[in-house]
Amino acid sequence: DAKTTQPNSMESNEEEPVHLPCNHSTISGTDYIHWYRQLPSQGPEYVIHGLTSNVNNRMASLAIAEDRKSSTLILHRATLRDAAVYYCILRASTGANNLFFGTGTRLTVIP
Amino acid sequence: ETGVTQSPTHLIKTRGQQVTLRCSSQSGHNTVSWYQQALGQGPQFIFQYYREEENGRGNFPPRFSGLQFPNYSSELNVNALELDDSALYLCASSLMGMNTGELFFGEGSRLTVL
Repeated sequence: DAKTTQPNSMESNEEEPVHLPCNHSTISGTDYIHWYRQLPSQGPEYVIHGLTSNVNNRMASLAIAEDRKSSTLILHRATLRDAAVYYCILRASTGANNLFFGTGTRLTVIP
Repeated sequence: ETGVTQSPTHLIKTRGQQVTLRCSSQSGHNTVSWYQQALGQGPQFIFQYYREEENGRGNFPPRFSGLQFPNYSSELNVNALELDDSALYLCASSLMGMNTGELFFGEGSRLTVL
């Protein structure tokens, strides 16, 4: 599976937008970009995914670069509950139904 | 709440012992995968079960084995425990064929090997 690169940590003030970057320069044409997050003492939870077009859901937005070599997860108004480790994962459209996690970005939200 | 439940939540074993961890998948999901998460690291894929057979495996030795039952619940067995097996073990359920769909994770079983 293609590799992703994320900053180790980021900080944000509460109620401000957060942009979490991810580089995936070796992405293949059929790889989907998935984001999961892991709150303290919990298992990972799905946030959002996309292929080529930008995506929005109730939790976040995903902005995908035109060449697909990078993407950004956008939290529109960070809350204390958003403090977590965020994982950017490339997932093949076929094959085993599993995920390959990196070390992710630890987001700290400052009150 | 994801509907995925794991047991036990915490356990302590000694080196050389064997352990069995259990997972009940979300209703309607036919695929279960297991992950190991060491402290400060992201989860690492161990293996996946579909229709009661292993159909994908990560870089883990044969002493890590599993089962899936007709009701899609699953077990992870680890023999000859080593100190490095201390980790959070996560179970995730999903629907086979839905590679663009989400995986639903349980809260994990934290294993300490002394």
